[in-house]
Amino acid sequence: DIQMTQSPSSLSASVGDRVTITCQASQDISKYLSWYQHKPGKAPKLLIYDAFNLETGVPSRFSGSGSGTYFTFTISSLQPEDIATYYCQQYDDLPFTFGPGTTVDIK
Amino acid sequence: EVQLVESGGGLVQPGGSLRLSCAASGFTYSTYAMHWVRQAPGKGLEWVSVVTSSGASTDYADSVKGRFTISRDNSKNTLFLQMDSLRVDDTAVYYCAKGIAVIAGPLENWGQGTLVTVSS
Repeated sequence: DIQMTQSPSSLSASVGDRVTITCQASQDISKYLSWYQHKPGKAPKLLIYDAFNLETGVPSRFSGSGSGTYFTFTISSLQPEDIATYYCQQYDDLPFTFGPGTTVDIK
Repeated sequence: EVQLVESGGGLVQPGGSLRLSCAASGFTYSTYAMHWVRQAPGKGLEWVSVVTSSGASTDYADSVKGRFTISRDNSKNTLFLQMDSLRVDDTAVYYCAKGIAVIAGPLENWGQGTLVTVSS
């Protein structure tokens, strides 16, 4: 199975800050990576697919990059409504696996 | 608007069975792969299972293989997860999610989840 790691596991930043999360795969997954936002008690939400494509309706302050085994997710200007846990997921090979998540809160 | 509504969760004893359902609307259900994902208390998301649009092919996480069965009824726009030989560590919120036309792809839409508690 492909193992996914994320860093950091949590972070605290100020409103307006640039926030970056990294995700690493245990083997080459090409571009087959998505990012999700999950708020407590809510349905997870797809933000980014195929490593860098922004899902329709998602604010442009969210972005993704990378390929192969190393990927990054960036919030260019953190907003209060961005408080959530963010997960990467690979869909290059079954079983599709999630990273452990990164919890983002406001300093 | 895509809507996915899970049901069937509840309290069950270890070794017991439960069948989850997910009612889908707002899209052409029969043309999309469908997934189940779970989140145990205090833990992250765990992918559980996928079924192709036709229902012909399925796959499972190692943790549930041989105990859980995913299926779908395209005439009723409904996804199912039959869970047998349940264990305490199967306790989680179970989400159904809409994939894309092929089995490998992002999970575009999610339901609100249904809670399964396995306890004696």
